[in-house]
Amino acid sequence: NAGVTQTPKFQVLKTGQSMTLQCAQDMNHNSMYWYRQDPGMGLRLIYYSASEGTTDKGEVPNGYNVSRLNKREFSLRLESAAPSQTSVYFCASSEVVHISNQPQHFGDGTRLSIL
Amino acid sequence: QKEVEQDPGPLSVPEGAIVSLNCTYSNSAFQYFMWYRQYSRKGPELLMYTYSSGNKEDGRFTAQVDKSSKYISLFIRDSQPSDSATYLCAQYNFNKFYFGSGTKLNVKP
Repeated sequence: NAGVTQTPKFQVLKTGQSMTLQCAQDMNHNSMYWYRQDPGMGLRLIYYSASEGTTDKGEVPNGYNVSRLNKREFSLRLESAAPSQTSVYFCASSEVVHISNQPQHFGDGTRLSIL
Repeated sequence: QKEVEQDPGPLSVPEGAIVSLNCTYSNSAFQYFMWYRQYSRKGPELLMYTYSSGNKEDGRFTAQVDKSSKYISLFIRDSQPSDSATYLCAQYNFNKFYFGSGTKLNVKP
């Protein structure tokens, strides 16, 4: 039972390069999320998708794009990476977004360094 | 001002101690709160969620919400070395979850 799977686990990029972080969940959840986690800042929401076909901005969306490819997959793209985007990125999923007591299930993160 | 504020610690206690972890929140409109535990190099996992005021107990863990002071707490009884992790509080608010920065806990054998 994999839960939420993120790839890659680690990545080093040069400033200006682009890349896509992949996320897939096998729990048939409707809602998916992308967060970044930085020391002292906690988890901050980048984008979320309440259901297949919809995406919405979170707290820190600038510099990122997302695609909800299907119900299982939600990708995060950095078009032109900047050192300020060095972080640990977490993908999460939940049954629905409007029911607050539905827990979010997290992947183990992608550690991204931008030089 | 952040939606949810949390003391980053670190907090170091001996095995068997009672641990108190705390957060404050600014938006009173929503009263759903959660505690997550995050081990090193892992994603957060949900420990407990609570609604409105009062206490909720689950084994050695008790979550408490004090609406009057906008304070949420997690108590761990008989703490174990395996409880060593970072604990994140979160508030559900307008379809989003806002997280505190996390408190790092170390339980010494």
